[in-house]
Amino acid sequence: DAKTTQPTSMDCAEGRAANLPCNHSTISGNEYVYWYRQIHSQGPQYIIHGLKNNETNEMASLIITEDRKSSTLILPHATLRDTAVYYCIARGSQGNLIFGKGTKLSVKP
Amino acid sequence: NAGVMQNPRHLVRRRGQEARLRCSPMKGHSHVYWYRQLPEEGLKFMVYLQKENIIDESGMPKERFSAEFPKEGPSILRIQQVVRGDSAAYFCASSSGALNQPQHFGDGTRLSIL
Repeated sequence: DAKTTQPTSMDCAEGRAANLPCNHSTISGNEYVYWYRQIHSQGPQYIIHGLKNNETNEMASLIITEDRKSSTLILPHATLRDTAVYYCIARGSQGNLIFGKGTKLSVKP
Repeated sequence: NAGVMQNPRHLVRRRGQEARLRCSPMKGHSHVYWYRQLPEEGLKFMVYLQKENIIDESGMPKERFSAEFPKEGPSILRIQQVVRGDSAAYFCASSSGALNQPQHFGDGTRLSIL
C-alpha cells in the first residue's frame, strides 16, 4: 500500500470549511484513498473513499487530483464535534488498513 | 442496523491471566480485522479473519496471542499470560469483503494489566 503524508495539525474556525490535504505520490492504479477520523479514544469512524473521481456524502467531500498523487478532504461547515485526528489511507482491494499519524484537526469557536 | 459490537468495553487483568476480547461484526459482514492502539500511538494491524479462516496474521505477536472467527458467534482475540505491555485499546473492524468496501470499526476494548 502506498505511503501517505499529512500535516501534523491544523486549526479551523467553527462554521468554516476545513480542508485537509494528503499526499500519496506513490499510489498505484488500483489503490483507493480512504479517510477515517478518530475522536478522542473512540474507534475510527469511516468518512469517505474514492479512486479517481471526486466523491461527496453527508459527511464530507473528497477531491482527488487528476494525477492521483494527492487529495483533499473537505468538511464544508466544521463544528466543534469535528475536532479529531483525521487519517488518509491508500489501500488496495482488500486487507488491512495502515494508519499513519494523521492530522490533528482542532475546530475553534 | 447495529454497528460493530465489542465487549467488554473495559477489561482489567493481572499479569499472567488470560484476556478474551469479543467482536460481533456488522450484520452481513463476514470479514473481521483486529487492530491494537498503544497509548499515544496510531492503530497497528494485528490479524484479518474470514469465517473460520485466518487470512492474514502478519501483525500478530508470535506468542501468547491468538484469534478465531467461528462459523457461529463472535470473533475472539485471546491473549494468554498477559504482561504490562499488553495494556492497550484493541479495536475490531468488519467489512462485507466486497471489493474496496470500507471497514467499519467498533468502539474498542480497553485492556489494563495490573
